[in-house]
Amino acid sequence: AQTVTQSQPEMSVQEAETVTLSCTYDTSESNYYLFWYKQPPSRQMILVIRQEAYKQQNATENRFSVNFQKAAKSFSLKISDSQLGDTAMYFCAFMKHEDRGGKLIFGQGTELSVKP
Amino acid sequence: DTEVTQTPKHLVMGMTNKKSLKCEQHMGHRAMYWYKQKAKKPPELMFVYSYEKLSINESVPSRFSPECPNSSLLNLHLHALQPEDSALYLCASSQDVRPLYGYTFGSGTRLTVV
Repeated sequence: AQTVTQSQPEMSVQEAETVTLSCTYDTSESNYYLFWYKQPPSRQMILVIRQEAYKQQNATENRFSVNFQKAAKSFSLKISDSQLGDTAMYFCAFMKHEDRGGKLIFGQGTELSVKP
Repeated sequence: DTEVTQTPKHLVMGMTNKKSLKCEQHMGHRAMYWYKQKAKKPPELMFVYSYEKLSINESVPSRFSPECPNSSLLNLHLHALQPEDSALYLCASSQDVRPLYGYTFGSGTRLTVV
């Protein structure tokens, strides 16, 4: 069975600084997808970034980038130039490539506070 | 339209009531999902509908009954719930049953069972 671990329940960062959220996972699959979702107090889960395991290149989306280390089974999220609107719960998630059920396996989440 | 719309946003119901949650999307997505989320916890999958057919039921109690009347609409019928069923219920959709590009989530229905 796959598991996803986020070891930082809470983090805080000053506005405009950089913060890294960690995520590790355990799987015997060779091909899979990894995601970071953001859930602000408004409750809606928003996809931040995705990574395909067979791609070596780390994904980036504007101020968000990942450090994907397949051998180490690590998928950390870096947020540059943090903004107050980045305050949210962040969930790391895993999905098998062959999964026909579309089931995302989520980590326990990291609550990020961006301070002015 | 790139949204998943859930109604109502808040619901309070007694343990003997029958109520329904509604979820709608007009993106042409062919898979739809119900998730349950407790405060400060990750979402837990309840049901998956693929091409309007129930493809996954994660051993959810029968007091939760999903329904997919058409490709745009997903309902969750609630009956004889328990206080521990109080949670945020999230609906999501994806282009295909294999959501390689992630889901689009709705804003959820906050359910309180009294």
